[in-house]
Amino acid sequence: SAVISQKPSRDICQRGTSLTIQCQVDSQVTMMFWYRQQPGQSLTLIATANQGSEATYESGFVIDKFPISRPNLTFSTLTVSNMSPEDSSIYLCSVRESVYEQYFGPGTRLTVT
Amino acid sequence: KNEVEQSPQNLTAQEGEFITINCSYSVGISALHWLQQHPGGGIVSLFMLSSGKKKHGRLIATINIQEKHSSLHITASHPRDSAVYICAAPLYNTDKLIFGTGTRLQVFP
Repeated sequence: SAVISQKPSRDICQRGTSLTIQCQVDSQVTMMFWYRQQPGQSLTLIATANQGSEATYESGFVIDKFPISRPNLTFSTLTVSNMSPEDSSIYLCSVRESVYEQYFGPGTRLTVT
Repeated sequence: KNEVEQSPQNLTAQEGEFITINCSYSVGISALHWLQQHPGGGIVSLFMLSSGKKKHGRLIATINIQEKHSSLHITASHPRDSAVYICAAPLYNTDKLIFGTGTRLQVFP
């Protein structure tokens, strides 16, 4: 199974700043996903990160707010830009090796003050 | 109505009790995931199943495709089982996972 690490594990940021979250996988994977979990809510897919092409964003999420990079098959970053308190969430990276095998990272707990 | 629904939302148990968490879905799926989320936020994939039953230690997951229903059972529950349990289903022929709202389990010694 894929092992996923995320950095940072948590951060407290000021309103108006940006934070870049890194996701590293110990094997090459085609499909990487970024999820957000707001307090008390279930997970919501932000975007699918494709290697060599632009990320595919879900409704309600835009590239200017959540730019994503996917420079190779083991690494991706998600930036949360111009943060507001509403961006306080857990952000999770996930990879899929097949329809039966999807793995999640440990998450990044973001608090915006 | 959510496409993936779980029950109960909250569950408390005494150590040693048998636990059942239910998941019903209304969409066509290719497989169903059971996930465990600890207070720190990280998610562990417990099971992925498309039919029948799977067992891992004290955890058992079953799925009935015809009835669109899955259950997660914990035998001999322990306080370290305290977590949020989430079922998730990938929509058939898509990359998108639909998540249930989670069941918060607390097991007391």
